[in-house]
Amino acid sequence: AQSVTQPDIHITVSEGASLELRCNYSYGATPYLFWYVQSPGQGLQLLLKYFSGDTLVQGIKGFEAEFKRSQSSFNLRKPSVHWSDAAEYFCAVGGRTGGFKTIFGAGTRLFVKA
Amino acid sequence: KAGVTQTPRYLIKTRGQQVTLSCSPISGHRSVSWYQQTPGQGLQFLFEYFSETQRNKGNFPGRFSGRQFSNSRSEMNVSTLELGDSALYLCASSPQGAVTEAFFGQGTRLTVV
Repeated sequence: AQSVTQPDIHITVSEGASLELRCNYSYGATPYLFWYVQSPGQGLQLLLKYFSGDTLVQGIKGFEAEFKRSQSSFNLRKPSVHWSDAAEYFCAVGGRTGGFKTIFGAGTRLFVKA
Repeated sequence: KAGVTQTPRYLIKTRGQQVTLSCSPISGHRSVSWYQQTPGQGLQFLFEYFSETQRNKGNFPGRFSGRQFSNSRSEMNVSTLELGDSALYLCASSPQGAVTEAFFGQGTRLTVV
């Protein structure tokens, strides 16, 4: 079965500190992997995506993620968090297995303290 | 390029009524997907339409239905509303399909009373 697990429901980091959000997936074929961010009352915005190639992908707003096939993980990182990064972050997996649909994790709420 | 537009943004309905939500995708995008987002269940896939055909469907009852028009605009309908249908309904469009990068609208907040 296809699934995405984000182990941390919420995380609090200090402004300027580094950030890592965890994501593990279960997928029967080569996955397409995504990270989205959602601000309150808004839709989702794509931060970055991995389809193939270099396992370290760069995204918008200074975010990056690393695909580790052996660990079925796609963790999101940022070296220095800004207060405006406070939001909910969703990891997602998609592909042709099971039809054309993308499955989302439950999300991680990021709080940034001054 | 205009983004994904969902109307209305907010809606209050009574149990037992039906509701229709609308989504206009980004120009040129042929795929439209619908998601239900609730605090308890997170983002759940409803269905995906591609070139007017439903290509994939999530695990929702038959009360939830949708369609796509020749201009790629999509509607979803929920009949016999239940309190548990209260949610943020998100529409996403993509050029090829739900598996590729998706662009989301701001959603329609449905409250069932």
